[in-house]
Amino acid sequence: EVQLLESGGGLVQPGGSLRLSCAASAFTFSSYAMSWVRQAPGKGLEWVSAISGGGDSTYYADSVKGRFTISRDNSQNTLFLHMNSLRAEDTAIYYCAKAPGLSSKEGFDSWGQGTLVTVSS
Amino acid sequence: VVMTQSPLSLPVTLGQPASISCRSSQSLVSSDGNTYLNWFQQRPGQSPRRLIYKVSNRDSGVPDRFSGSGSGTDFTLKISRVEAEDVGVYYCMQGIHWPRTFGQGTKVEIK
Repeated sequence: EVQLLESGGGLVQPGGSLRLSCAASAFTFSSYAMSWVRQAPGKGLEWVSAISGGGDSTYYADSVKGRFTISRDNSQNTLFLHMNSLRAEDTAIYYCAKAPGLSSKEGFDSWGQGTLVTVSS
Repeated sequence: VVMTQSPLSLPVTLGQPASISCRSSQSLVSSDGNTYLNWFQQRPGQSPRRLIYKVSNRDSGVPDRFSGSGSGTDFTLKISRVEAEDVGVYYCMQGIHWPRTFGQGTKVEIK
C-alpha cells in the first residue's frame, strides 16, 4: 500500500523559513510526479507546487512563486518543500500528494495525512 | 483557470440523490482528446481522496452510486442515493492548465 508521511511542520515567525519532507514508500517513487497541496484552517484545497518524476520540471502557484522551492531525492524516496519568507496566509495543513503517473492531469491518487504549518509571532 | 462549484452547501436526506456542479473558466479538453476534470472527497478529519478522474472514471473502491459527467467547461458529480458515509466536502480539480486549481468545495450534509 502506498504511504506518504509528511514531517517538518510547526510554528514559525513571519518572514521565517521551514522545510517540509514527505517520505514515500511502496511504489517506484521516481516514476511519479508529486505535488504539495495545502488547506488553510476551515478553508478549501489549494494546489501549491508540483515536480516531475525526475525532478527536472517544477511548477508553482502564483501565491508561493519565488518563496517556495519543491525538490525531491529519488535515492531516498523523499519529497521536499522549502518555504521562505513565510506569511500568516501560509498557515495551513500541507499535504503531500502522488500523481497517478508522469503528470498530475488526473489529479492525485494518494495523499499523506498532512503536516500543520503555523506562521505567527 | 477558475473552477466554480455550486451549491457550496448541500443538505440531503438519506437515500435521496445529490448533484454538484463544477464549471471551469476555460476548456478542460486536452490536445490528446481527454478531458482532465477530477473529483475528490474529503470526509471530516481526513485527507482528501480521489473519487473520479477524467470526468467519469471511478477510482477503485468508489461505490457505483457516485458518477461523473460533463464536457468542455461544465461538469457534474452525482450521488444516486446518499449514505451517511458520504458526508464531507467535495472538490473538483482541473488537470490541464498550470497552475492546477480546485473548486471552492461543496459541503454535503445529512438533513
